[in-house]
Amino acid sequence: NAGVTQTPKFRVLKTGQSMTLLCAQDMNHEYMYWYRQDPGMGLRLIHYSVGEGTTAKGEVPDGYNVSRLKKQNFLLGLESAAPSQTSVYFCASSYGAGTGDLNTEAFFGQGTRLTVV
Amino acid sequence: ILNVEQSPQSLHVQEGDSTNFTCSFPSSNFYALHWYRWETAKSPEALFVMTLNGDEKKKGRISATLNTKEGYSYLYIKGSQPEDSATYLCAFWANAGGTSYGKLTFGQGTILTVHP
Repeated sequence: NAGVTQTPKFRVLKTGQSMTLLCAQDMNHEYMYWYRQDPGMGLRLIHYSVGEGTTAKGEVPDGYNVSRLKKQNFLLGLESAAPSQTSVYFCASSYGAGTGDLNTEAFFGQGTRLTVV
Repeated sequence: ILNVEQSPQSLHVQEGDSTNFTCSFPSSNFYALHWYRWETAKSPEALFVMTLNGDEKKKGRISATLNTKEGYSYLYIKGSQPEDSATYLCAFWANAGGTSYGKLTFGQGTILTVHP
């Protein structure tokens, strides 16, 4: 059981380049999230999804797009990378609301360290 | 934007001390409050998921309480050990009644350092 897997683990981009981060979960979770972690700022929500085919904006969505074409995958795209997007990106997934409070904890991937130069 | 605030930002204690942190969150559209432990170079891992006002949860030396009416939760660590050193995050999960349905919003975390 792999849990939540993020690809790639590290990446260096030049300003203006594009890339896609892949998050895959094998726990049949409904909800998936993308966060960025910056020093002193905890985890800030970029986009999230409450089910296959649905996405919603989080706190810091500008410059990012997402897609949830399959339940197990949540893709985060950077169309034109900027140095301000240098960060560590975490994906998480959980069961949906209504499945019992013990089931709603979020499980995290190992993170993707992205540097934009 | 959902405001989830944690205090203090950082804390240094001696081994054996007991300590506590605070998480404040919106008291409307509440579904759940999560606490996570985040060790350096690892991913966050859940400690507690709390949904009911007055909930108290305990895991070993760590416990948490929840007040949904006033919008706060406390995390307590009794007899801190160096291995408790980590960042402790709380997260607010909004319910289906609002536009933030399903959104899991984290506070900025409390960094705990326990000195031997």
